[in-house]
Amino acid sequence: DAKTTQPPSMDCAEGRAANLPCNHSTISGNEYVYWYRQIHSQGPQYIIHGLKNNETNEMASLIITEDRKSSTLILPHATLRDTAVYYCIVQWDYGGATNKLIFGTGTLLAVQP
Amino acid sequence: EPEVTQTPSHQVTQMGQEVILRCVPISNHLYFYWYRQILGQKVEFLVSFYNNEISEKSEIFDDQFSVERPDGSNFTLKIRSTKLEDSAMYFCATRLDTGSVYGYTFGSGTRLTVV
Repeated sequence: DAKTTQPPSMDCAEGRAANLPCNHSTISGNEYVYWYRQIHSQGPQYIIHGLKNNETNEMASLIITEDRKSSTLILPHATLRDTAVYYCIVQWDYGGATNKLIFGTGTLLAVQP
Repeated sequence: EPEVTQTPSHQVTQMGQEVILRCVPISNHLYFYWYRQILGQKVEFLVSFYNNEISEKSEIFDDQFSVERPDGSNFTLKIRSTKLEDSAMYFCATRLDTGSVYGYTFGSGTRLTVV
């Protein structure tokens, strides 16, 4: 089973920041936090991941609390094309293993015009 | 940007028939996966494949399922005798290597409809 808890749905106004929370209170020291999204039954798409430091890339920012028990994905300027289901996945990923992703139910983000 | 290509995009088959779903991985990727998603449900892991053999499989991946890389490029999922409950989106994913810096790239999926 997924080790994360996410709200089932959120709304965001177009052009505003979307802040998607994720609780992972049982995360262990070696586990990373990954975010993927799925737009309308397409294949999941990687967004960002982190261990304990905050991370930023061209798509989003990831803020991880100091105790690592929760994180927030930030889409700085949401557009209609960001409407999707967002998955927060906790995984220990190390070389030499095949490491499957375990998806939960995610958060359906609806960006409103 | 490199893509994982899946064919066909949609397949309709009669119950009891065999189907083969095809995936062309990104050329230098070493790890391959199949996932499925029944309409309205979670994305579920089926099987992982590395070095021409199955690394791990889920409970869903029973004797009706098989995978192979017949020509070293295509990665296929075969369902021997389809059931109504096999109707789902099937996603192929590939990965260059394991380790946190390497992401998974998913294909656009094949929608399988068993009638």
